[in-house]
Amino acid sequence: DGGITQSPKYLFRKEGQNVTLSCEQNLNHDAMYWYRQDPGQGLRLIYYSQIVNDFQKGDIAEGYSVSREKKESFPLTVTSAQKNPTAFYLCAISDRDDGYTFGSGTRLTVV
Amino acid sequence: RKEVEQDPGPFNVPEGATVAFNCTYSNSASQSFFWYRQDCRKEPKLLMSVYSSGNEDGRFTAQLNRASQYISLLIRDSKLSDSATYLCVVNTGLTGGGNKLTFGTGTQLKVEL
Repeated sequence: DGGITQSPKYLFRKEGQNVTLSCEQNLNHDAMYWYRQDPGQGLRLIYYSQIVNDFQKGDIAEGYSVSREKKESFPLTVTSAQKNPTAFYLCAISDRDDGYTFGSGTRLTVV
Repeated sequence: RKEVEQDPGPFNVPEGATVAFNCTYSNSASQSFFWYRQDCRKEPKLLMSVYSSGNEDGRFTAQLNRASQYISLLIRDSKLSDSATYLCVVNTGLTGGGNKLTFGTGTQLKVEL
């Protein structure tokens, strides 16, 4: 089954803990993105990568880190420095016609 | 000013009604435009691209006015299954090339019997 896969679907984090969200794609796309969605705020760009071994900060990168060691994988780490991590996290690839295709998302909750 | 602005709604309409959503964007250099649909607690999915000439896909019609920096979506003969949040999306591009989509906060549509 081709596409973009995010895991886990739900994640609970304790205060002060780092957690890593997985994003994998088998569509051979170069560009991958991480967005965060909060109620009433729309999607905001955290990090993006246009090629393997390179990534750039988006609009709200503080408290997050990423890596792009393989074309297929773009994991996001939510660090303890992120003060308000509870949100819906969406990974995307840049698809045809300049649009995006999203993974099914990870809901992160701080407990 | 937000880069992409939409009326959040909700728009509550009876089945069979015609409903229109509007959106404005601030970056005049924006390259391409889209409407995405997002169901509750799901990921956004591409509904349609928006072109200056206007485009139609079944009951859905999208329009772009570059001079006014205005995008619209018209849904005719609303169905219960159209109930969702509709996101106005603009490709503002990345420095050095590549796509960066900027999202409006979405307009919620509820179609009722």
